[in-house]
Amino acid sequence: SAVISQKPSRDICQRGTSLTIQCQVDSQVTMMFWYRQQPGQSLTLIATANQGSEATYESGFVIDKFPISRPNLTFSTLTVSNMSPEDSSIYLCSAGLRYEQYFGPGTRLTVT
Amino acid sequence: EDQVTQSPEALRLQEGESSSLNCSYTVSGLRGLFWYRQDPGKGPEFLFTLYSAGEEKEKERLKATLTKKESFLHITAPKPEDSATYLCAVQAGDSNYQLIWGAGTKLIIKP
Repeated sequence: SAVISQKPSRDICQRGTSLTIQCQVDSQVTMMFWYRQQPGQSLTLIATANQGSEATYESGFVIDKFPISRPNLTFSTLTVSNMSPEDSSIYLCSAGLRYEQYFGPGTRLTVT
Repeated sequence: EDQVTQSPEALRLQEGESSSLNCSYTVSGLRGLFWYRQDPGKGPEFLFTLYSAGEEKEKERLKATLTKKESFLHITAPKPEDSATYLCAVQAGDSNYQLIWGAGTKLIIKP
């Protein structure tokens, strides 16, 4: 298994600003993932982040809005840019080990 | 189209009342089926991976089973601390770690 930490755990931001979420894994992993989860709903994959290559974004998500960095095998960041109230959500990162994914505690973002 | 459907959406049980949650799937070549538990305000917690029909996994009061079309998460004599949302996800044969998620079943165990 893997232990994932995220920072910040929550934040309240003004529209038009940007927030960078950090994700740290306690072991080296090839693949990391970023998800968004609206209250009471299931998970929506934003992008897959492999170390050493560009992130792969899912339909409806673009790099200009959600730039991702993956500088090494234990760390990744997701930036939510030019935020609007519609970006209010829980953002989760996960790490892939064998076929399984292990999740961080999430970042609760509120945009006012 | 690959799809995962969980039922029921919500389930209320009395403490000690055993039941099952269902996860039916339609995917091209199942690589694995995963069960997670999610408590409010937290990330999903990994429970089980099932790879082939007939496989079973157990952990405390939970038992997961898999057929070619669906998986069941059986909960035996549940306690209030088992209350959570249980999520099912599958990995298709042509994916690379990516998971297809069900909408989840919210389980409430009343003392």
